[in-house]
Amino acid sequence: GAGVSQSPSNKVTEKGKDVELRCDPISGHTALYWYRQSLGQGLEFLIYFQGNSAPDKSGLPSDRFSAERTGGSVSTLTIQRTQQEDSAVYLCASSLRRLAGVRLDRELFFGEGSRLTVL
Amino acid sequence: ELKVEQNPLFLSMQEGKNYTIYCNYSTTSDRLYWYRQDPGKSLESLFVLLSNGAVKQEGRLMASLDTKARLSTLHITAAVHDLSATYFCAPLQGGAAGNKLTFGGGTRVLVKP
Repeated sequence: GAGVSQSPSNKVTEKGKDVELRCDPISGHTALYWYRQSLGQGLEFLIYFQGNSAPDKSGLPSDRFSAERTGGSVSTLTIQRTQQEDSAVYLCASSLRRLAGVRLDRELFFGEGSRLTVL
Repeated sequence: ELKVEQNPLFLSMQEGKNYTIYCNYSTTSDRLYWYRQDPGKSLESLFVLLSNGAVKQEGRLMASLDTKARLSTLHITAAVHDLSATYFCAPLQGGAAGNKLTFGGGTRVLVKP
């Protein structure tokens, strides 16, 4: 597709259940990020994938959170045993290449997000 | 750890007047992004500032970067209603060698007639 696609757009779940959120980055983009935005807040970095390199998981808030990226394209963020504090909008973003470097095309494009509500 | 502070957090603007949003960050970064977010929507890229002294303008918005002062500003000229949104700044953590954007808390802008 033309942009970053995320699904589901809305997910309501009960505390303790597992959820999976999916991200389809822009075709050909090698860098993929997950961020979390709680109500009325800024964005919190979760995890970063770059090509075939080991992901940067430094932002994952607990071991209940995990993510994978298959074939260098689609990514899935999994939250196990959800808690109410996990309620947020989970945003995926992709970039054609690494944001670092001297070339000018270093933009990061965001999807519409997956709104997670844990009851 | 890079910390980013935006101010003000909320800005009520009158149409036709000029305003500035400030973005301060705590550690060296020579690259900074500005985004706009409408309610219930995702983030729209406004500017990528790639070096010290960079200035970019698009319509009524102008962004600048002073890496020595660790400060970026977003200036709004002659505000209009459709500029109402939340604006985020995000320096690149680690500077030109880094790969993560660290976001400020956002500035919610409301432009009144």
